[in-house]
Amino acid sequence: RKEVEQDPGPFNVPEGATVAFNCTYSNSASQSFFWYRQDCRKEPKLLMSVYSSGNEDGRFTAQLNRASQYISLLIRDSKLSDSATYLCVVNQRTFYGNNRLAFGKGNQVVVIP
Amino acid sequence: EAQVTQNPRYLITVTGKKLTVTCSQNMNHEYMSWYRQDPGLGLRQIYYSMNVEVTDKGDVPEGYKVSRKEKRNFPLILESPSPNQTSLYFCASSFYQGNTDTQYFGPGTRLTVL
Repeated sequence: RKEVEQDPGPFNVPEGATVAFNCTYSNSASQSFFWYRQDCRKEPKLLMSVYSSGNEDGRFTAQLNRASQYISLLIRDSKLSDSATYLCVVNQRTFYGNNRLAFGKGNQVVVIP
Repeated sequence: EAQVTQNPRYLITVTGKKLTVTCSQNMNHEYMSWYRQDPGLGLRQIYYSMNVEVTDKGDVPEGYKVSRKEKRNFPLILESPSPNQTSLYFCASSFYQGNTDTQYFGPGTRLTVL
């Protein structure tokens, strides 16, 4: 099982609609979780961290389910500018006690006018 | 402006010709790393550095070298590039490798090895 798995999509979303997708992770000892946004051929940028209680930032809501080992991202009232790839990122401790980040392959979202 | 810079942004080279991709950050970050991104494979870590003179291998270190002589710089060296190193490379930094630190990525270097 891959460390972080995402359905690559694409997710074609009508403008104004809601889209949601999940990311599963394999290491139950994972400590921290993030969603990054990556525009085509650009660098990833932090969208939001994901907290155990769930968190919201404007139209974006992130949830964490430790029991089932997945995190989710929901985008409400989609805008054309939301078109991007959303990377699920999980921070976990290595055998040597270091932290490392594992990246999913991303969920590609295309918002259609 | 806080940023991570990489040079060059685009490079086409030939097999076996040594090259260096520079990375510099102006945020006094301790932790720096290099990733490569390939279609269908996502971002994979090549090397990382927790501080000056402290470096370690990531998931795909073969064919690469790094050095961290100064806190702000973390160059990636390809001693003898091969076509399978054609990729999009990102440098990233964070204040610490701690759990909640945001990774700041450079703009990327698109490398083609012929």
